[in-house]
Amino acid sequence: AQTVTQSQPEMSVQEAETVTLSCTYDTSESDYYLFWYKQPPSRQMILVIRQEAYKQQNATENRFSVNFQKAAKSFSLKISDSQLGDAAMYFCAYASGGGADGLTFGKGTHLIIQP
Amino acid sequence: DTAVSQTPKYLVTQMGNDKSIKCEQNLGHDTMYWYKQDSKKFLKIMFSYNNKELIINETVPNRFSPKSPDKAHLNLHINSLELGDSAVYFCASSDLDRPYGYTFGSGTRLTVV
Repeated sequence: AQTVTQSQPEMSVQEAETVTLSCTYDTSESDYYLFWYKQPPSRQMILVIRQEAYKQQNATENRFSVNFQKAAKSFSLKISDSQLGDAAMYFCAYASGGGADGLTFGKGTHLIIQP
Repeated sequence: DTAVSQTPKYLVTQMGNDKSIKCEQNLGHDTMYWYKQDSKKFLKIMFSYNNKELIINETVPNRFSPKSPDKAHLNLHINSLELGDSAVYFCASSDLDRPYGYTFGSGTRLTVV
């Protein structure tokens, strides 16, 4: 079974600074997808960024980028120019290539933005 | 238009009651899911339905029964509610051929008293 580990229960960053959230995963599959989801206090689950395992290039979405290290099974999220609206729980998630098993989530990192 | 909508958003009920949560998606996805988020915010999959067929069931008590009348709807029925069932339940959908992202509903906070 796949597992996803987020070792930082909580992170704090000053507004406008950069922060990196860590995620590692364990799998024996070669075809899979990785995701970061944001859950603000409204509890809505919002897709931040996704990465296909077969792609070597790291995904980027505006201020959000990932550092995907396939051999190390590491998938960290970097948030640049942090904004107050970035404050939320961030979940790292894994899905196998077939997708039928749904998402396996890490336990989440609570990100605090200091004004 | 809301892509994945679930109702109700809040549900407070007494132990022993039976309740249902409804979910509908208008994305044309072929697979729908139910996830449970516990009090520590941990999300775990409960059920997955692909084209109206159950394809996984993650050791959920049989008091929980998913029902899918068509591929756009996946309802969750819970019998004999227990205090430990209190949680947030999320519906989600995806396309198995293109798992580019799983779209979630806004969640249902279930409180059993």
